[in-house]
Amino acid sequence: IAGITQAPTSQILAAGRRMTLRCTQDMRHNAMYWYRQDLGLGLRLIHYSNTAGTTGKGEVPDGYSVSRANTDDFPLTLASAVPSQTSVYFCASSLSSGRVNEQFFGPGTRLTVL
Amino acid sequence: DAKTTQPPSMDCAEGRAANLPCNHSTISGNEYVYWYRQIHSQGPQYIIHGLKNNETNEMASLIITEDRKSSTLILPHATLRDTAVYYCIVSTGTASKLTFGTGTRLQVTL
Repeated sequence: IAGITQAPTSQILAAGRRMTLRCTQDMRHNAMYWYRQDLGLGLRLIHYSNTAGTTGKGEVPDGYSVSRANTDDFPLTLASAVPSQTSVYFCASSLSSGRVNEQFFGPGTRLTVL
Repeated sequence: DAKTTQPPSMDCAEGRAANLPCNHSTISGNEYVYWYRQIHSQGPQYIIHGLKNNETNEMASLIITEDRKSSTLILPHATLRDTAVYYCIVSTGTASKLTFGTGTRLQVTL
């Protein structure tokens, strides 16, 4: 693995189903983030984690949960998917959550909820 | 965090300099200016950041006005691969405060 990876690449999901989007980084970055990007809009922060064992809510956290059991992994879970969660999801990481905040992004997961 | 204003789109001929403006008139003293870009269907890519002084790296130059109310990202010799959406962000740098707007869509043409 080099950098940050996401799985799956794309997914079609029935409404009401549970789904976990996976994100893994091998850069030993402390901070990780989940964004969603909808057509015509910029990226919006869903949840973040400044370090393993801690998480925080971003701009649009409702309907999503995250965990950060270790440094490398930051899964995003949709407990009961709804059509409004159809979006492209990007995971990102940075060395720290501090001032020089260069974030590295994964390739994204395209999720369609029907 | 301070809000930013960018033109929705710009064109640039290949080989010429692309100058992308950004207004951030309400920027506060502890906020940095960051630039990212997003090539179609990919995740955003960090370009450069600065506080007060002009900055240059292998990708671009960042010119910040003395009053810090605006900045310009310069791609000195634009190529077709520079076609992307460019985001100007002002932030203190903490995780929860890096807010992406709608950016400027730069189209580099032959």
